[in-house]
Amino acid sequence: AQKVTQAQTEISVVEKEDVTLDCVYETRDTTYYLFWYKQPPSGELVFLIRRNSFDEQNEISGRYSWNFQKSTSSFNFTITASQVVDSAVYFCALSEAVNDYKLSFGAGTTVTVRA
Amino acid sequence: DGGITQSPKYLFRKEGQNVTLSCEQNLNHDAMYWYRQDPGQGLRLIYYSQIVNDFQKGDIAEGYSVSREKKESFPLTVTSAQKNPTAFYLCASSIVFGTNYGYTFGSGTRLTVV
Repeated sequence: AQKVTQAQTEISVVEKEDVTLDCVYETRDTTYYLFWYKQPPSGELVFLIRRNSFDEQNEISGRYSWNFQKSTSSFNFTITASQVVDSAVYFCALSEAVNDYKLSFGAGTTVTVRA
Repeated sequence: DGGITQSPKYLFRKEGQNVTLSCEQNLNHDAMYWYRQDPGQGLRLIYYSQIVNDFQKGDIAEGYSVSREKKESFPLTVTSAQKNPTAFYLCASSIVFGTNYGYTFGSGTRLTVV
């Protein structure tokens, strides 16, 4: 069963628009970690954020913000005032306490920001 | 600068041949991992290694083999038994085993079977 679902395959926006990426996860563990990674065209995955299951505070880092809601099993990611450099594939991932060495990835959302 | 180096960036293989993908890290990380990425799919774990001389199968290990003779190196061999080897392969490492401290990823090797 898919543990992480990113329903949006592709999103295209014009520069300066906000864009929100959805992530819904599934787990029976009470202790788990959620991640977001960015994959630019160069290929490497760049770590953006890690959030544990006991910390539901929203987080803001510059133009990036994350909304974690356990009630809906969602960990959504918003880019405010998007820029062309934000064009990339974004992955949401889950790590469960029972197998805490492994990341279960969503299929990714391709974001294209047009000038 | 510390990081993970994967080579080559692009690799072409004829059907029936084995091929080895290189992964080297100078981060002094104990744990290393290999993931496979297919278009429109997330990454899937092939093999992982907690420490030198130890490695374990991940979710899709069939047709692959690894070794961990040195802390810095974790090469992946794609054997002829792998039915669909064309994919993007990513190597990662973590300071200790587990995701708590996050992974550092390499820039990947794109393997194409011709």
